[in-house]
Amino acid sequence: ETGVTQSPTHLIKTRGQQVTLRCSSQSGHNTVSWYQQALGQGPQFIFQYYREEENGRGNFPPRFSGLQFPNYSSELNVNALELDDSALYLCASSVGGKIAYEQYFGPGTRLTVT
Amino acid sequence: AQSVTQLGSHVSVSEGALVLLRCNYSSSVPPYLFWYVQYPNQGLQLLLKYTSAATLVKGINGFEAEFKKSETSFHLTKPSAHMSDAAEYFCAGIQGAQKLVFGQGTRLTINP
Repeated sequence: ETGVTQSPTHLIKTRGQQVTLRCSSQSGHNTVSWYQQALGQGPQFIFQYYREEENGRGNFPPRFSGLQFPNYSSELNVNALELDDSALYLCASSVGGKIAYEQYFGPGTRLTVT
Repeated sequence: AQSVTQLGSHVSVSEGALVLLRCNYSSSVPPYLFWYVQYPNQGLQLLLKYTSAATLVKGINGFEAEFKKSETSFHLTKPSAHMSDAAEYFCAGIQGAQKLVFGQGTRLTINP
């Protein structure tokens, strides 16, 4: 059974640029959630994708957008990067439609905005 | 809406001592609660979960947590700390359909 994978591991971008982060869900999982974890903080929910559609969104501006593909992998796109976007971005996969099913997290992508 | 509060941003114990990490929740509906562990430069690993079944939940690595409705608490314990337990621990609750709401985290340090 393949776990959740994320790419790239680390990324350095300049303020104003755009970035795309990628996530492959665990086998058999059809739901992907994205979280932002700032240094010293708990993860904050960005949004969730279930069967290729957005299924909930946290308190993040529209410049944070995403996609889910037919194989249930997902992308997180961030436009017009700001310094405060520097964080660890975590992807989690789960089985949709079943509340309280545990979410399995990937290792994260560390984004640094300079 | 579900929210969780972790008491103590940093806990330090001696190797072999009891580990107690505190979490309180706030919810108007039966909660679903989780403890996750995060090692340096890694993602989150699920330690255990409470889903309205047994109030004492056993997890991996010798950890367990007890759900106490009267105290709105879900504290994490381990009878004997090991050096490998040093990590950041997060309590989380479910909000809506699978949206996890996390506490601020507690950094556990183990002294030899």
